[in-house]
Amino acid sequence: EAQVTQNPRYLITVTGKKLTVTCSQNMNHEYMSWYRQDPGLGLRQIYYSMNVEVTDKGDVPEGYKVSRKEKRNFPLILESPSPNQTSLYFCASSERGGEQFFGPGTRLTVL
Amino acid sequence: AQKVTQAQTEISVVEKEDVTLDCVYETRDTTYYLFWYKQPPSGELVFLIRRNSFDEQNEISGRYSWNFQKSTSSFNFTITASQVVDSAVYFCALKGYNTDKLIFGTGTRLQVFP
Repeated sequence: EAQVTQNPRYLITVTGKKLTVTCSQNMNHEYMSWYRQDPGLGLRQIYYSMNVEVTDKGDVPEGYKVSRKEKRNFPLILESPSPNQTSLYFCASSERGGEQFFGPGTRLTVL
Repeated sequence: AQKVTQAQTEISVVEKEDVTLDCVYETRDTTYYLFWYKQPPSGELVFLIRRNSFDEQNEISGRYSWNFQKSTSSFNFTITASQVVDSAVYFCALKGYNTDKLIFGTGTRLQVFP
C-alpha cells in the first residue's frame, strides 16, 4: 500500500531536549516536505527536499533541521525544542508536479 | 506572491442543507494547480480534488462539487445535502507551476448538526 508514515504520532517533551520525527514514503517520490499546522494559520512549509542530499528552507525553518540521505526518508530534527514549536506536523511526498501524499501527522507538545 | 484566502473561519449547518466553502487565490503564474483537502476530527489530511489552471470545467463527485472561476480567482467547494460525517476542517491550497510547495489557506471548519 502506497503511504507516508510518520513516527511518533504523539510526543510530549520538555524544552531543550533534542528530538527527531521520522518520515518515510514507499512510493519512490523525489519530492518530500514538512509542514506545521497551527490554529488560524493553516499549514506552513518548514523544509523541503527535491531529491537525495538536496534540501531547502520553506517559510518557517527556524529551529528545525532536516536531512535526506535516502530517497525514502526525510527526518525532521528539533535540536533544542521550545514551546512555540508545539504544533501538528505533517510530512508529505510527491512526484515532481504531482499530487502530494500526506502522512498521518505528529502532534508535538513542548513543555 | 502566492496566497490563498478562506474567509469563512467556521460554518454551521443542519444536516441536509447545502453549504459552500469559499476559496480565493492570488498568483502570478499562468499555470498553477488548486487543491481541496479535508481534515476530519481524527486529524489526517484527505485529498479531495486537484484542478489545473487550464481546466475551468466544474466538477461533481457525488454530493461534492467544485466551481473554478479564473475571472474571480476563486475555487469554491459545495457540499449538497450535508451529512454529519462532513464535519471537518477543509483546506484550499495552491501550487505554482515550477514548484512543489503547497500554499494553504487557513481552513474552514464545517460543523453539520443532526
